[in-house]
Amino acid sequence: NAGVTQTPKFQVLKTGQSMTLQCAQDMNHNSMYWYRQDPGMGLRLIYYSASEGTTDKGEVPNGYNVSRLNKREFSLRLESAAPSQTSVYFCATLGQGIYEQYFGPGTRLTVT
Amino acid sequence: QKEVEQDPGPLSVPEGAIVSLNCTYSNSAFQYFMWYRQYSRKGPELLMYTYSSGNKEDGRFTAQVDKSSKYISLFIRDSQPSDSATYLCAMSAGFQGAQKLVFGQGTRLTINP
Repeated sequence: NAGVTQTPKFQVLKTGQSMTLQCAQDMNHNSMYWYRQDPGMGLRLIYYSASEGTTDKGEVPNGYNVSRLNKREFSLRLESAAPSQTSVYFCATLGQGIYEQYFGPGTRLTVT
Repeated sequence: QKEVEQDPGPLSVPEGAIVSLNCTYSNSAFQYFMWYRQYSRKGPELLMYTYSSGNKEDGRFTAQVDKSSKYISLFIRDSQPSDSATYLCAMSAGFQGAQKLVFGQGTRLTINP
């Protein structure tokens, strides 16, 4: 099993460009999450999806949109990238024990 | 003020030392307390999990929660170079459709051989 996969691993964008970060899981988990990690800030929740067909805002949703395409896939879209969105983005799922989140390897995004 | 505060370090100790990592929090609704370990350029992995107050031990690792002081700790005994990583505390008020974790800033730990 691959667990949680993210694509791409690295991306450089110019200000104003758009892109979609992809996340897929093969663990049959219901809940999925998008975080960003910045130095000195820890992990901050952008959006989450409790189950297929539902999405909710987290702590820092501005500038992002999400789509829960099906149970396996949860994508994060930047419509008009800004330098403040330079970060490492992690996707995660929530295990059946309801307390363990499983993280993907991350996407390193730089916006110039 | 952040809901969860964690000293970012860095913390550097010799191999074999006892390491103490700590977090404080302000939200009294938090009931679930976790420690995640993150190696460089990897995603975090769950290390320890505690519900409510008390201690939990797993090998060389001990997690403590003091809800009255809003303070949690992770102790690492007989520290090894392989323990070098960033340690993040995380907390949750519970599962209401989805678990929402609030993370500390993370403490970067280096164990020197």
